[in-house]
Amino acid sequence: AQSVTQPDIHITVSEGASLELRCNYSYGATPYLFWYVQSPGQGLQLLLKYFSGDTLVQGIKGFEAEFKRSQSSFNLRKPSVHWSDAAEYFCVLVSGGYNKLIFGAGTRLAVHP
Amino acid sequence: GAVVSQHPSRVICKSGTSVKIECRSLDFQATTMFWYRQFPKQSLMLMATSNEGSKATYEQGVEKDKFLINHASLTLSTLTVTSAHPEDSSFYICSARRPRGGAGDEQFFGPGTRLTVL
Repeated sequence: AQSVTQPDIHITVSEGASLELRCNYSYGATPYLFWYVQSPGQGLQLLLKYFSGDTLVQGIKGFEAEFKRSQSSFNLRKPSVHWSDAAEYFCVLVSGGYNKLIFGAGTRLAVHP
Repeated sequence: GAVVSQHPSRVICKSGTSVKIECRSLDFQATTMFWYRQFPKQSLMLMATSNEGSKATYEQGVEKDKFLINHASLTLSTLTVTSAHPEDSSFYICSARRPRGGAGDEQFFGPGTRLTVL
C-alpha cells in the first residue's frame, strides 16, 4: 500500500537551532516526493520536490531534503530556523500518474524566540 | 508563481442548506483541479479530481451526490455541498494542476474554505 508517515506530530525548536522533520514512505517503485508548508490563511506552498537524480534536494527558504531509498525516508532539514518557519509541514507522495497526492499526517513546528 | 484563489474563505450555514465553493486558477489554465478535505489537526484527504468538461472522479467513500463538482472552464471549478449537516463542517482546499508534462506538473493550492454547518 502507498502511504506516508510523519512520526512527529509536533516539534518545538529554538530560533537559530537546526531542524529535521522526519518522513517515511511506502511505495512499490521510485517515488516522487514533495514537502509542502501550510501557514494559517495561506495555501500550501511547495518547499521542494524529488523525482530522480541527486538525492539531496535544495528547496526554497533554506530548506533541503535527502532521499534515502534504503531507509524509505525523505527527511526535511534546515540548518538555522527562523521564527517565520513556524507552520505545518506535510510530506507528500505522488501517486496515480502525477494526479493523486498522498499526504502525511503533518508535523506542526513551533519556534521559540 | 501560479495563484489559485478560493471563495468564500469562510462560510457558516444552517443544516439542510447547500453551499457552493469556487476555486479559480488566476494566471494559468488548469485542465485538472482537485478538492481536498482537512479535518482539524489532520492531514488533507483527496475527495475528487475535477477534469474540465467531464465528470469528476470521486475517491472511495466520498458521496458524489452530496459533494457536487463542476469544472465548467479551464480556470474555474466549483464544489457544492448539498443538504449540509454539521458533520460536513471542515476545511475544504482546492488545487489546480499546471500542466508541464509528466512529473513536472505541480499542483498549486488555494487558501482553503472553512465551512461551519450549524
